[in-house]
Amino acid sequence: SYELTQPPSLSVSPGQTASIICSGDKLGDGFTFWYQQKPGQSPVLVIYKDTQRPSGIPERFSGSSSGNTATLTISGTQTVDEADYYCQTWDTTSALFGGGTKLTVL
Amino acid sequence: EVQLVESGGALVRPGGSLRLSCAASGFSFSRYSLNWVRQVPGKGPQWLSYISSAGNTIYYADSVRGRFTISRDNGRNSLYLQLNSLRGDDTAVYYCARVIGALRDFDYFYYMDVWGKGTTITVSS
Repeated sequence: SYELTQPPSLSVSPGQTASIICSGDKLGDGFTFWYQQKPGQSPVLVIYKDTQRPSGIPERFSGSSSGNTATLTISGTQTVDEADYYCQTWDTTSALFGGGTKLTVL
Repeated sequence: EVQLVESGGALVRPGGSLRLSCAASGFSFSRYSLNWVRQVPGKGPQWLSYISSAGNTIYYADSVRGRFTISRDNGRNSLYLQLNSLRGDDTAVYYCARVIGALRDFDYFYYMDVWGKGTTITVSS
């Protein structure tokens, strides 16, 4: 298998756009999924199949993918979006997670 | 409401064994594949194991293959993880998660759309 790489941290001001990047050698061969995790809570799926948003996830969350890089974008970031974000893909017989990006909104 | 509830976490000594359970409700359990995922506090999630809806396809992470065993009972709407030869680095929160397959170019890419709240295993003497 291979590794998914994310920046450890990102800081934005409320109302700004947050872009979290995930890269991996074969990421472009499949789909990328994104999870949000707040302290003490379980991960929550926010983007699936690169760009799709599950029901109940705010429209400010969007995803894109180009080559071996996927991006989670939060437009008009709110303080409630402060959390850890993890990308994930599937490689033949195993799930791979990125190391996570801690998003700070201040 | 779709729900997954893990149980069975405990404090266990190195070399010990434990069995985790995951009780599902609110959906047709037998139609879904499932994963076990663990997370060390302050670290990212680590996938452990996958089991298909009928239980006839199983995958493990290299780090747990041979020590952990995944199983399910569709009649009881339950998922299990048997953990043997536990080590200190197995200390973590253990989650069960419902799996969805996304098809692309004849291959499935699996992700998790529902997670339980987790159960904690601490391995320490």
